[in-house]
Amino acid sequence: NAGVTQTPKFQVLKTGQSMTLQCAQDMNHNSMYWYRQDPGMGLRLIYYSASEGTTDKGEVPNGYNVSRLNKREFSLRLESAAPSQTSVYFCASVRPGWSEAFFGQGTRLTVV
Amino acid sequence: AQSVTQPDIHITVSEGASLELRCNYSYGATPYLFWYVQSPGQGLQLLLKYFSGDTLVQGIKGFEAEFKRSQSSFNLRKPSVHWSDAAEYFCAVAPHGGGADGLTFGKGTHLIIQP
Repeated sequence: NAGVTQTPKFQVLKTGQSMTLQCAQDMNHNSMYWYRQDPGMGLRLIYYSASEGTTDKGEVPNGYNVSRLNKREFSLRLESAAPSQTSVYFCASVRPGWSEAFFGQGTRLTVV
Repeated sequence: AQSVTQPDIHITVSEGASLELRCNYSYGATPYLFWYVQSPGQGLQLLLKYFSGDTLVQGIKGFEAEFKRSQSSFNLRKPSVHWSDAAEYFCAVAPHGGGADGLTFGKGTHLIIQP
């Protein structure tokens, strides 16, 4: 049982490049979330998906898009990366009613 | 909107001493409350959570937290810290009954353990 798997673990992009961060869970959860973590800021919600095919904006959605094509996978896309998007990105999968949340190991992204 | 305040950015404690990390929340009702720990370069690990019932919650690694409704607080405690407790600690809230809006995190407290 892998839980939540994020790929890649590390990535360096040049300004203006695009990339997709992948997240997959094997727990059959409906709800999945993308957070970014910056020093001194805690974790902030970028986007979330309450079920397959639905997505909603969180606190800091600008510059990002997401896709929930199936129940298992929730991807985060940066269309034109900016240095301000240098961060550590975490994906989470949540049991109904927030009884438990499972986090991936994170993707450390640097935009130069 | 819900919010979480962790007043202490850094805390330094001697090994073997007791620890208390503070957390205050703002929410219209009693939210779900969580404490997570993050070691350097690692993901988040759940220490404990409070949904309802007994206001003193026991967690993993010898941690406990007490919910105080009158103070809107959920402070984390440990009677005797070990060097391996050095990490970043996050308090978080979720809407009572769950909700699609997700967890709201505090900005974290960095715990340093002195030998």
